[in-house]
Amino acid sequence: GENVEQHPSTLSVQEGDSAVIKCTYSDSASNYFPWYKQELGKGPQLIIDIRSNVGEKKDQRIAVTLNKTAKHFSLHITETQPEDSAVYFCAASIGNQAGTALIFGKGTTLSVSS
Amino acid sequence: NAGVTQTPKFQVLKTGQSMTLQCAQDMNHEYMSWYRQDPGMGLRLIHYSVGAGITDQGEVPNGYNVSRSTTEDFPLRLLSAAPSQTSVYFCASSQPLAGGYEQFFGPGTRLTVL
Repeated sequence: GENVEQHPSTLSVQEGDSAVIKCTYSDSASNYFPWYKQELGKGPQLIIDIRSNVGEKKDQRIAVTLNKTAKHFSLHITETQPEDSAVYFCAASIGNQAGTALIFGKGTTLSVSS
Repeated sequence: NAGVTQTPKFQVLKTGQSMTLQCAQDMNHEYMSWYRQDPGMGLRLIHYSVGAGITDQGEVPNGYNVSRSTTEDFPLRLLSAAPSQTSVYFCASSQPLAGGYEQFFGPGTRLTVL
């Protein structure tokens, strides 16, 4: 079955710096790769996603890149702010069933200090 | 719309007791999933459903049962609770048939098994 590895597990940056979180997946059939942000005591919320037919997607300060050949994808946050502090999860679809259910990485705790 | 709702918010059980975690969504989503979240482990898929009457196993299905008799509800049953099932449980729904791949998560149920 699908396996998703996520690195680093913790990341500390200064306000205004960039943050990069990387994930690899094992199932070449996976075709949907979302990123979720989770704040303390709440459920995960989608911040950006990418389909396997796209190499890069950007939404203001957040961008995601996908390398299908290498089976890895990354989250880039530029101009980080204290409110970006949270736990971030990458995920991959179960095979080519985009939107059905997800296999998650173990998460990255991002701390942005002012 | 209330979105995805989960009850109860908190529950304490004794080993061997049974209970049902409730999940409901009012978005007319076909797909629903259950995940558990443990510290340092990310979210792990327990069971998922692609429509009424159809369910499938995820990464960690043992000790849990599900059924899907209506589009709106997807209850998760613990037949004989064990301390290893102490976790935070999240339910999610999506509607990929309409191009909506995003999984919408409920607020979670925190379960403690003594």
